[in-house]
Amino acid sequence: GQQVMQIPQYQHVQEGEDFTTYCNSSTTLSNIQWYKQRPGGHPVFLIQLVKSGEVKKQKRLTFQFGEAKKNSSLHITATQTTDVGTYFCAGSQSGGGADGLTFGKGTHLIIQP
Amino acid sequence: DTEVTQTPKHLVMGMTNKKSLKCEQHMGHRAMYWYKQKAKKPPELMFVYSYEKLSINESVPSRFSPECPNSSLLNLHLHALQPEDSALYLCASSQDLVYTEAFFGQGTRLTVV
Repeated sequence: GQQVMQIPQYQHVQEGEDFTTYCNSSTTLSNIQWYKQRPGGHPVFLIQLVKSGEVKKQKRLTFQFGEAKKNSSLHITATQTTDVGTYFCAGSQSGGGADGLTFGKGTHLIIQP
Repeated sequence: DTEVTQTPKHLVMGMTNKKSLKCEQHMGHRAMYWYKQKAKKPPELMFVYSYEKLSINESVPSRFSPECPNSSLLNLHLHALQPEDSALYLCASSQDLVYTEAFFGQGTRLTVV
């Protein structure tokens, strides 16, 4: 079955430092989505990437989808305490929810003031 | 209204009890999902409903029984659960099954005693 690997599992950074999480799939993905889950909260959609080599930005967040559509990354510039949480990538082979989303294990971002 | 509402927020039940989790959305979404999430783990897909019909059952034990009474409602009936079933149960919806983001409810935190 489809597997989505995500690293690192935990990342401690000082406030103001940059942060990157990486996602790799064993199979080619139709699309990849990124979610953020705050401690005690629920996953909240951040973005969806569909095209090979796609790059999207949201303020301090930069999302990339690999040329082969097997890997993706999320980069946060100059982290803030509000960035604390777990970042999940979620992939789909079928193009959406037809087979549900397969989530990576997530990267827990811990920020030290 | 961009919310997915889940009730109850917390539930404690004995292994011989029967209970139901409820999920409601009024965004006109035609796909709805149940996920199970253990602490510090990613959400795991349980069921997918598309146009009120069950389209995926990810080998979930029969003690979990989903029901979709109409396009806005999704229930999860619980019977004879085990302590290892204790987890956060998340409902999600999306506009359809292809290339759309999932909106998650806040979840029901279930404890089986």
